[in-house]
Amino acid sequence: DAGVIQSPRHEVTEMGQEVTLRCKPISGHDYLFWYRQTMMRGLELLIYFNNNVPIDDSGMPEDRFSAKMPNASFSTLKIQPSEPRDSAVYFCASSPSRGLETQYFGPGTRLLVL
Amino acid sequence: QQQVKQSPQSLIVQKGGISIINCAYENTAFDYFPWYQQFPGKGPALLIAIRPDVSEKKEGRFTISFNKSAKQFSLHIMDSQPGDSATYFCAANIRTGTASKLTFGTGTRLQVML
Repeated sequence: DAGVIQSPRHEVTEMGQEVTLRCKPISGHDYLFWYRQTMMRGLELLIYFNNNVPIDDSGMPEDRFSAKMPNASFSTLKIQPSEPRDSAVYFCASSPSRGLETQYFGPGTRLLVL
Repeated sequence: QQQVKQSPQSLIVQKGGISIINCAYENTAFDYFPWYQQFPGKGPALLIAIRPDVSEKKEGRFTISFNKSAKQFSLHIMDSQPGDSATYFCAANIRTGTASKLTFGTGTRLQVML
């Protein structure tokens, strides 16, 4: 398996622009997680899905952030409008229903908002 | 109560030495304690994990020691090698309904010197 795939790997944008991050989970995994990693706050869970349905979005920082999972093999995290404080590395992770404590992380998207 | 406190923030160890990273938690509902290893530019990857009914788990040079009464657990890396240089995150898992949610420590940057 190719593992969790994220795109783009790097994104540089200007404040106010819309940013869309993409994730393809490992085939057969029922859970998908979005995390944000910064030096100041470490790894923070933003939202997670089970069978394409959002279960817990309490970590989403504000209404500018939204996430969707239209099918089992694709998810997006959108920031609109983006702000400099959104600069971080965003990780997608997936896990199977059995052994779901083990999360498999993608390589991350490094976002810089100028 | 959801926090996991990790120390030290950074650690320098000589090749062949023992690296020790400590974590503490408050929530007794946590039921699984993994350690993740992250290399620069990569996503975190599961290294080793323990459940609270076990006091120690060893996999090769990596050992988790778990003290349930003190609500503390630690990672020991024996015979540390330069290839172990990475950031290490402890985490604690809590079940929410049918899903599992990980809370991560703030990370320890380990440098193993020749």
